[in-house]
Order: sequence, then C-alpha cells, then structure tokens
Amino acid sequence: QKEVEQDPGPLSVPEGAIVSLNCTYSNSAFQYFMWYRQYSRKGPELLMYTYSSGNKEDGRFTAQVDKSSKYISLFIRDSQPSDSATYLCAMSAGGANNLFFGTGTRLTVIP
Amino acid sequence: DVKVTQSSRYLVKRTGEKVFLECVQDMDHENMFWYRQDPGLGLRLIYFSYDVKMKEKGDIPEGYSVSREKKERFSLILESASTNQTSMYLCASSFDINQPQHFGDGTRLSIL
Repeated sequence: QKEVEQDPGPLSVPEGAIVSLNCTYSNSAFQYFMWYRQYSRKGPELLMYTYSSGNKEDGRFTAQVDKSSKYISLFIRDSQPSDSATYLCAMSAGGANNLFFGTGTRLTVIP
Repeated sequence: DVKVTQSSRYLVKRTGEKVFLECVQDMDHENMFWYRQDPGLGLRLIYFSYDVKMKEKGDIPEGYSVSREKKERFSLILESASTNQTSMYLCASSFDINQPQHFGDGTRLSIL
C-alpha cells in the first residue's frame, strides 16, 4: 500500500465551478500537509501548508485535513482557466527523508 | 519570494557520459533536495543535504552522487548516464526540515 494515494484524474470542470481534490494516506503519524500546483513544464509551486488538523483558507483556496479519516482535501472556488494544472498533495511526519508526495491530479478548467 | 534556479531547462546527453545538474537557491536555506519526477511514479527523493558538505541518501540514490561545497549550491552528478535516468529532475530547498520545500522549474534530461 502506498503511503499517499491521489486520484490522477484527469478532471475537467467548467469555469466558475467548485473543484474538490483529495488525497488519502495510511500513516497516522503524518502531521504536516501541503498542496502544490504544477503547471506544464514547470516545477511544483507551494499553494497551501497546514500543520495538524483543521481548515486553512487563502483566497479561493481552502485546505482541509481530517486526521481521523486520514483524508485531506483542496477546494478551489470560482475556478478559472488559469487554475488548469496538476495538483500534488504532500505530507510528512516530520524529520528528514520523510516527505511523501501523491502522484498528482491533472485539472482542466474549461472557459 | 524564494528563488530556486536550475541551470538548464533541457539537456540531452549520451549513455556513459558524466552529467552535472546545478541548483542555486537565494534564501540562505539550510536544506536542499534533489528529486526525479516520472509519470505515474510521482516525485522520488534522490539525495538531500542539511548543511554544507553534508549529504544523505534518499530513496533512489543508485547511479547518482551530489556535492554541496557552498550553502546556496547543490549539484547532482550522474556518474555514467544510462537511458533509465531519462527524467525530469527537480531541485528544492527549505529553511527547516519540517517547513515546506520550494522547487526550481526542473531540468528535463534525456539520455540517448
């Protein structure tokens, strides 16, 4: 079983839709949770960083962590064509060599 | 903003060549990392460094080595390139080992 599972998609939505991206994990020791956005032919760009449980909001983006279900989500409100990218989740229990990435979900927002 | 710069965006080399990939960060970060990214496999850690001249193996170090002579610079070396090392290589840095990593734009390396 992989440490982190992420649906690869692809996911296509119309402009203005609410997008929900999700990852599940197996290691209950994970306490640092991140979402990265990666445009084609570019490196991953940090979007959200959460420590432990709860929600965090930044503009149109909301990250949720449910440690009891070992499930994290990224919501994008009022999605825009510029949100079209691959979204990677990442999580860690802390310490070196202990960061695990999902394989990414490819999102396309159609104008 | 953190800036992680990788010296080449695209590189084509031949099997058996020694290949150097360079990475520089401008935020005085202690930690630097090298990953490769392959479709369906995600990001896999090759090596990381938590201080000058210090290095630690990641999950897939075979066929690679690294050098960190200055805090801002971290080099990945393919000792004798092979076709299975064709991949996207990503460098990252972080201030603290538990803080998020910031990535460069990657080097797409093709070994022919």
